[in-house]
Amino acid sequence: DAGVTQSPTHLIKTRGQQVTLRCSPKSGHDTVSWYQQALGQGPQFIFQYYEEEERQRGNFPDRFSGHQFPNYSSELNVNALLLGDSALYLCASSLASGPSNEQFFGPGTRLTVL
Amino acid sequence: AQSVTQPDIHITVSEGASLELRCNYSYGATPYLFWYVQSPGQGLQLLLKYFSGDTLVQGIKGFEAEFKRSQSSFNLRKPSVHWSDAAEYFCAVAGRGYQKVTFGTGTKLQVIP
Repeated sequence: DAGVTQSPTHLIKTRGQQVTLRCSPKSGHDTVSWYQQALGQGPQFIFQYYEEEERQRGNFPDRFSGHQFPNYSSELNVNALLLGDSALYLCASSLASGPSNEQFFGPGTRLTVL
Repeated sequence: AQSVTQPDIHITVSEGASLELRCNYSYGATPYLFWYVQSPGQGLQLLLKYFSGDTLVQGIKGFEAEFKRSQSSFNLRKPSVHWSDAAEYFCAVAGRGYQKVTFGTGTKLQVIP
């Protein structure tokens, strides 16, 4: 049973560019959450997708957008990249009908903005 | 708003010694509580979780945590630390129903021989 997978592993972009990160949830999961983890910090919640819609959003600008596909996989898009967007981006999947908010995390995508 | 405080940024313990990592949370009702571990360059692995019932929860790798409602705490403990436990540990809180998970800033654990 594959866990949460993310691609790419690493990415280098320049300021002003756009980036797309991808996530495949754990088998059987239907909800995907995205987090940004800056160096030396805890993960910060970006947003959560369920049934192909954004269900909840953290304190991130509109430059951060996402999408969930019918197969439950998800993309995170960041436009007009800033140096401060450099971080580890974590995807987590969970089951909406589950008894808790237990989330399973992928290994992350390391984004470097130059 | 929910929040988590991990007062210790960095802790060093000797191998074989006991460990306690502190976590205090803020949430208006009974929360879901989690401890995650992160090795360098890796994602997060769930160590244990509290949802309800017994306030002392057992996790993987010999870790346990105790939920104390009166102190709004959920401290992580291990009786004997192994060198492989060196990593960063995150406490997290979530509300009932499907809401976001809020993480603390983490405690980096160093284990010396």
